[in-house]
Amino acid sequence: QLVESGGGVVQPGGSLRLACTASGFTFSNYAMHWVRQAPGKGLEWVAFIRYDESNKFYADSVKGRFTISKDNSKNTLYLQMNSLRAEDTAVYYCARHDYLTGIYPFDLWGQGTLVTVSS
Amino acid sequence: DIQMTQSPPSLSASVGDRVTITCRASQSISTFLNWYQHKPGKAPDLLIYGAFRLQSGVPSRFSASGSGTDFTLTISSLQPEDFATYYCQQSYNTPPFTFGRGTKLEIK
Repeated sequence: QLVESGGGVVQPGGSLRLACTASGFTFSNYAMHWVRQAPGKGLEWVAFIRYDESNKFYADSVKGRFTISKDNSKNTLYLQMNSLRAEDTAVYYCARHDYLTGIYPFDLWGQGTLVTVSS
Repeated sequence: DIQMTQSPPSLSASVGDRVTITCRASQSISTFLNWYQHKPGKAPDLLIYGAFRLQSGVPSRFSASGSGTDFTLTISSLQPEDFATYYCQQSYNTPPFTFGRGTKLEIK
């Protein structure tokens, strides 16, 4: 199970940190993603982190502003969001990267947390 | 970056209908194609991975095919719980892990 938290209303230019707490599987063995859905839009991949934090990748739309991290001792994934813009308003989902199949789908998702960037 | 194009953007159908959604990649992605179902307020669910492999627990009325650039998702007999938005996604050339824009399946 994955449970996101930390969403809320923030002013443009502000910061927010999202968390995703994992249970029921060996979190330290898995890479993880953040995916978002803006109002009325589709799913957009945001960021990826390898199981041991050795590599991180970001969508161009958030590069330099967002930072993904992982605390395997706490079974928790994070997304630090800085310099927030109105277009970052979305429901943010964490998702597990399935390495076992060799195809790498996102096989487990959280319910999402809403981030609203507004003055 | 690889672009994923889904069609149609929306689809109206009745319970019991057979429906097909298509997804096209801007370059070959072999069979690194996944399908997700997403209902409002819920977590997205993985339906199909590797172009045609049914995720555990997904009903057999869902099937998919394709390779290279062209893929399809078929629901053989629509059930009320199938009305949702469906997304394809490529996991071949990443990042980014590109999603299609979605197909909203609505009740006629």
